[in-house]
Amino acid sequence: DAKTTQPTSMDCAEGRAANLPCNHSTISGNEYVYWYRQIHSQGPQYIIHGLKNNETNEMASLIITEDRKSSTLILPHATLRDTAVYYCIVRPQGGSEKLVFGKGMKLTVNP
Amino acid sequence: NAGVMQNPRHLVRRRGQEARLRCSPMKGHSHVYWYRQLPEEGLKFMVYLQKENIIDESGMPKERFSAEFPKEGPSILRIQQVVRGDSAAYFCASSWGQGDIYEQYFGPGTRLTVT
Repeated sequence: DAKTTQPTSMDCAEGRAANLPCNHSTISGNEYVYWYRQIHSQGPQYIIHGLKNNETNEMASLIITEDRKSSTLILPHATLRDTAVYYCIVRPQGGSEKLVFGKGMKLTVNP
Repeated sequence: NAGVMQNPRHLVRRRGQEARLRCSPMKGHSHVYWYRQLPEEGLKFMVYLQKENIIDESGMPKERFSAEFPKEGPSILRIQQVVRGDSAAYFCASSWGQGDIYEQYFGPGTRLTVT
């Protein structure tokens, strides 16, 4: 089972920042937080991952709280093409390499 | 810099036939994962392979399904005697290394329809 909880859906205006929350209160040890998105039945797209520190890349920023029980994915200037289902995944360290996808959160970017 | 490639993109099979799904990982990647997405459901892990070895097949149905990743050539997911419930999107992912620090990159998927 997924170790994360996300809202079912969220709307965002085009050009504004989209802040996508994720709770992972049972995260433990050195488990990484990963974000993927799936645009309309395409293959999931890797966005970003982090352990303790905040991370930024060309797609997004990842803010992880100090207690690591929650995180926020930030899309700084959302576009219509960012409309997708976003998955927050806690990935256990070692052992199985699999990603456990939950239901994710549908982000709709409106013009 | 080609990404993960899967073919065919769409596959139609009659009940009882065999389905073969192929996955070519990204260049330099030697770890391959297969996931299945049933209609209106999330992605579920099926199997994890390295070259010539199955590492984790905990998500694979015990019967009719098999996977391989030979020394040369693509990874193959094989479904024998397909049934309507096998209709789904099958996604392959690859990674450079083993461990949770290595992100998995996904292909576009093969959509299997069983009639």
